[in-house]
Amino acid sequence: NAGVTQTPKFQVLKTGQSMTLQCAQDMNHNSMYWYRQDPGMGLRLIYYSASEGTTDKGEVPNGYNVSRLNKREFSLRLESAAPSQTSVYFCASRWGVDTQYFGPGTRLTVL
Amino acid sequence: KQEVTQIPAALSVPEGENLVLNCSFTDSAIYNLQWFRQDPGKGLTSLLLIQSSQREQTSGRLNASLDKSSGRSTLYIAASQPGDSATYLCAVFHASGGSYIPTFGRGTSLIVHP
Repeated sequence: NAGVTQTPKFQVLKTGQSMTLQCAQDMNHNSMYWYRQDPGMGLRLIYYSASEGTTDKGEVPNGYNVSRLNKREFSLRLESAAPSQTSVYFCASRWGVDTQYFGPGTRLTVL
Repeated sequence: KQEVTQIPAALSVPEGENLVLNCSFTDSAIYNLQWFRQDPGKGLTSLLLIQSSQREQTSGRLNASLDKSSGRSTLYIAASQPGDSATYLCAVFHASGGSYIPTFGRGTSLIVHP
């Protein structure tokens, strides 16, 4: 039982490049979340998915897109990376109102 | 809009002290509240989850209380140890369209020195 996994762990992009952050969970959770964490700003919700086939915007969705590929996988895409998107990105999952579990994070730098 | 505040922002104490970390939220219509621990460069680890109908939860040396009507939660750490050094975050969840939306506080950075 690996829990929540994220790839890659680290990434450096140039402004304007695109990339997809991958997240997968093996706990049969229905809800999945993408956050970004910036110094002094705490965790902010980017997008979430309440169930397979549904996605909704969180607090800071601009510049991002998501795909809930199936119940296990929830990906985050940056179409044209900007320096303001330099951050640590966390994926999380949850079953109903139960405990939320986090992945180890992806550290992204946009030059 | 829900706002979550954690006080203090940072805390440095000698080993053995009992600690209280505070979390307050502006909208009391929450579904539940969760306390997390984050070690430097790592993800978040869940410590305690309190449903809105509960008053407290305990796990080992940790005790979390919830006063929903006043918009407050506290995390009590008994007999602190250097291994407790980490950032502690609280998150409140409210229901929206069949999902549960979280709002996080900015955390309390705790250092326990020997």
